[in-house]
Amino acid sequence: GAVVSQHPSRVICKSGTSVKIECRSLDFQATTMFWYRQFPKQSLMLMATSNEGSKATYEQGVEKDKFLINHASLTLSTLTVTSAHPEDSSFYICSASSHLTSPLHFGNGTRLTVT
Amino acid sequence: GQQLNQSPQSMFIQEGEDVSMNCTSSSIFNTWLWYKQDPGEGPVLLIALYKAGELTSNGRLTAQFGITRKDSFLNISASIPSDVGIYFCAGAAGGTSYGKLTFGQGTILTVHP
Repeated sequence: GAVVSQHPSRVICKSGTSVKIECRSLDFQATTMFWYRQFPKQSLMLMATSNEGSKATYEQGVEKDKFLINHASLTLSTLTVTSAHPEDSSFYICSASSHLTSPLHFGNGTRLTVT
Repeated sequence: GQQLNQSPQSMFIQEGEDVSMNCTSSSIFNTWLWYKQDPGEGPVLLIALYKAGELTSNGRLTAQFGITRKDSFLNISASIPSDVGIYFCAGAAGGTSYGKLTFGQGTILTVHP
């Protein structure tokens, strides 16, 4: 079945630094990937839609200059949390689909802790 | 925006019992999905529903896409300890926004041996 891989699975960084998270589709090409954020004991909230070869589309309230998304190839999207602060600590999860009618598959998530 | 109300929020059951959870929406979805999430991991797709009225099974799991397209339920029969986890419903409007999922609040399932 379709596999989506995320790296790293955990990262701890100091306040003010930037962190890059990778999302890869391992056995299919994903023209579109999605980035979600999940706070403890809460549901997943869509942050942005990552489109291969074009700019990402951000959900209302998500700062595009803080959460930089790059989708340079059909199998890789990256999310960079710039100038991270403790309130950015969260579980970040990506998803991808091989085409519009396929169910979405999720990566295993990245636990970001900003100290 | 679209909202999904998922209930119950949590369930404590004995092994062997059946489980039922549901989601309702204030607006129509063209696709309903049910996921299970274990601690520290991403959601794993359980069942995908694409047509109103569709009833789909996956082993001990059965899910239905409501006729009005505003609701869905998930049943788990003869629960076992490994069913423990958080179950999420998710809806997609379809078309170019297919991948933009709206998630329910989740149902925390605890199964006592």
